[in-house]
Amino acid sequence: GENVEQHPSTLSVQEGDSAVIKCTYSDSASNYFPWYKQELGKGPQLIIDIRSNVGEKKDQRIAVTLNKTAKHFSLHITETQPEDSAVYFCAAYTGGFKTIFGAGTRLFVKA
Amino acid sequence: DADVTQTPRNRITKTGKRIMLECSQTKGHDRMYWYRQDPGLGLQLIYYSFDVKDINKGEISDGYSVSRQAQAKFSLSLESAIPNQTALYFCATSDPRGSYNEQFFGPGTRLTVL
Repeated sequence: GENVEQHPSTLSVQEGDSAVIKCTYSDSASNYFPWYKQELGKGPQLIIDIRSNVGEKKDQRIAVTLNKTAKHFSLHITETQPEDSAVYFCAAYTGGFKTIFGAGTRLFVKA
Repeated sequence: DADVTQTPRNRITKTGKRIMLECSQTKGHDRMYWYRQDPGLGLQLIYYSFDVKDINKGEISDGYSVSRQAQAKFSLSLESAIPNQTALYFCATSDPRGSYNEQFFGPGTRLTVL
């Protein structure tokens, strides 16, 4: 069935360093790839997304890249800050109702 | 602010008890979802509803039921709770008029079944 694999499950970086989270999807019909951030005690919140007709998108310190041929997409956070500490989920959407989520990456940013 | 709210936020119950988790939204979205979050497993879809008369099973619906009382309200029930239903539960909404099914999540309900 459709699935999204996400790595690593845990990531610890020093404040100011970059963080990269990688995902692989299985359904070649997927056309939309959102990233959600879940802070402690809150629900996931969309932080950035990318559509299949775009290879890269950037929003301040956050960027996403998409390689449709390899079915890979990645989240890049530069100049990390303690408030970036959270659980991050990647997801893939093919159409209709179903968004498939990755298992999540817990990011720790050490001050 | 238009929002998605869930009650209760935390609940501890015993095996065999009936539990209802409630979700309300002021976003005016037609689509509503219930997800379960377990460590290392991401978000798994339990049920979803596209409007008041529409209820659909997700990937892990066994042991759960739902009720869509109104456009703004979607409840999840555990008829006879068991310990492996201990998890974090999220309600979400999306707007079918929006692109690509962006989902808006509530704050979650942490359920512990003893």
